[in-house]
Order: sequence, then structure tokens, then C-alpha cells
Amino acid sequence: QSVLTQPPSVSAAPGQKVTISCSGGSSNIGGNYVSWYQQLPGTAPKLLIYDNNKRPSGIPARFSGSRSGTSATLAIIGLQPGDEADYYCGTWDSGLTSLWVFGGGTRLTVL
Amino acid sequence: EVQLVQSGGGLVKPGESLRLSCAASGFSIVDAWMSWVRQAPGKGLEWVGRIKSKAAGGTTDFAAPVTGRFTISRDDSKNMLYLQMNSLKTEDTAVYYCTKLAAPGGWGQGILVTVSS
Repeated sequence: QSVLTQPPSVSAAPGQKVTISCSGGSSNIGGNYVSWYQQLPGTAPKLLIYDNNKRPSGIPARFSGSRSGTSATLAIIGLQPGDEADYYCGTWDSGLTSLWVFGGGTRLTVL
Repeated sequence: EVQLVQSGGGLVKPGESLRLSCAASGFSIVDAWMSWVRQAPGKGLEWVGRIKSKAAGGTTDFAAPVTGRFTISRDDSKNMLYLQMNSLKTEDTAVYYCTKLAAPGGWGQGILVTVSS
């Protein structure tokens, strides 16, 4: 029921690349910057990507973001066991009473 | 470094009230747009509401499920953020986070609010 649609789960082997998609509409992703958050098990979320493709200080370059039209993508290369977490996209939405919207979250499993 | 330390959660009955606090350090809360986000057990993140920076007017906005029941306030002298929750419902049970969504970002440790009779 989330405004932004993410796959419930993705998986890949260590060292491989994985992508997580986030699909929305013109009132959210299509007109606003997208952020990505990583939530490791039992911890608070952490900002991973902001303004579609920028990384806060301390976030490895293995993590990258992109946006095209009304969709956004998070890519992780060189997967590590420590990347196993839930990942959420988020952005402002100008078309709803809920002004910030999150995707439903994607569970990444490192095989 | 942005740090957010939360307090005030607990167990309350439906219809009761609770106030969450969030102590900020490493930045001035008056200059930031601050949000509250919650996460029901085993569920995803849900944005609850935000308060704009003083320069942007300091106004608040809320998600539809909590509009009219929750308020957000700020004590600039103490660098503190608050979430006042009234008329609590069982569906408000969640871990609540205070957060600076904008970069460089920052999240509190999360605090559990349980609404149950």
C-alpha cells in the first residue's frame, strides 16, 4: 500500500552487484529528489543516498543512486555480508496529505 | 556530528497521551527541518510529521493517520524536539524515531510506544 513501490526482497552473492528499484509517480519521484536509507537489523535507519545520487560523508562509493522519470534505483557493487539490511527509498510527495513518503522497503540477503 | 537522543516512550492505554523527546547535538535544531518517523513491529517506515526550520516559518505538517491527534514542537534554547501524542490508538504502536531527513542526516535511536489495554 506504499506510495513508492519497491521489491520486497533481493539477493546476491558476496562480491556481486545488486540493484533495488523504487517506482513512484509525477507527484513524488518525478518532481522531487530521492533519498535512500539503510536499516541494519535492530538498528535505526541511516541516510545512504540523497538528492538522487549524492553520498553523505562516510558512505562508501560502492553505493550509488540514480533517478529516471518516476523511478529511482539504488545500486550496490562488491556486496559484503555487512550489507545485509533493509533498504528504503523516500521522497517528498506534493500530491498527498502525507508530505514525505517511503517505499515499502527491500530486504537484501547476501547469499 | 549530528546526534539525536530520544526519551519518553512506554506503555499506555488507548485514549491516553504520551510525549516523546529528542535531544539534538552537533547542529542547531532551529535551523533544521525535523521529522518524526515510526515503524510498527515487523513493518516498514512511516513518516509521521515534520516541523520546518524557524527561517521557513516553523510550521508543522502531519500524515493523515495522526492529523489532529499529534503535535510537534521545539525548544530552541534546549535544542530539543518533541512529539505530543494524544488520543492514542492501538495502531499507533510502533518504534518512533526523530530524524533530520536532509543530508547529512541523523536518526535517533528509536523508542518504543505500546498502546494496549
